[in-house]
Amino acid sequence: EVQLVESGGGLVQPGGSLRLSCAASGFTFSSHWMHWVRQTPGKGVVWISRINSDGGTSNYADPVKGRFTISRDNAKNTLYLQMNSLRAEDTAVYYCARGPYAFDIWGQGTMVTVSS
Amino acid sequence: DIVMTQSPDSLTVSLGERATINCKSSQSVLYSSNNKNCLSWYQQKPGQPPNLLISWASTRESGVPDRFSGTGSGTDFTLTINSLQAEDVAVYYCQQCYDTPYTFGQGTKLEIK
Repeated sequence: EVQLVESGGGLVQPGGSLRLSCAASGFTFSSHWMHWVRQTPGKGVVWISRINSDGGTSNYADPVKGRFTISRDNAKNTLYLQMNSLRAEDTAVYYCARGPYAFDIWGQGTMVTVSS
Repeated sequence: DIVMTQSPDSLTVSLGERATINCKSSQSVLYSSNNKNCLSWYQQKPGQPPNLLISWASTRESGVPDRFSGTGSGTDFTLTINSLQAEDVAVYYCQQCYDTPYTFGQGTKLEIK
């Protein structure tokens, strides 16, 4: 079964850090661009980052640029999102999704809450 | 950034009738290299992630009922749901993949009358 499973979310104080993971199975992970997308009730669905199949190219949305880092380990079939200097406005459900253009596979999401 | 604007924000349609959702991009999302529009439609039900219905503006994903169809080009796109079923109650999003940051519309909530 083709599947993405996120983990690593939780409650963190403003200024803190979290690392999200996304474990892939059922497909050739190393062949696909991967993305992180987040969703909040107020701002809807927002794309935040992507990485190409070998990890050599990545892009970020402006609100997270310089604070978040996307990476992948193709040997472990795992995508990561390192989130530093977290702010209240980063509170959201974070999804990983398979690309490159349309997101045809999504994980179930992991909740990140930034609050003191 | 390319701004995606959906209309209406919410829609109430009777069972068996047609639902039409519009999506307008602030600039063309037509790739000249393949003459295809980089525009996708998603359905999201409560407690679930978005589910891809249509890619490249009009290509239905495997397993998606043929009552769902996508049309449009350039900056104006439409998702049509014919013969509305109860299970179609959801929020629908369009998304452009022409350029990063990839952007989504604000969503259209579809309900049954």
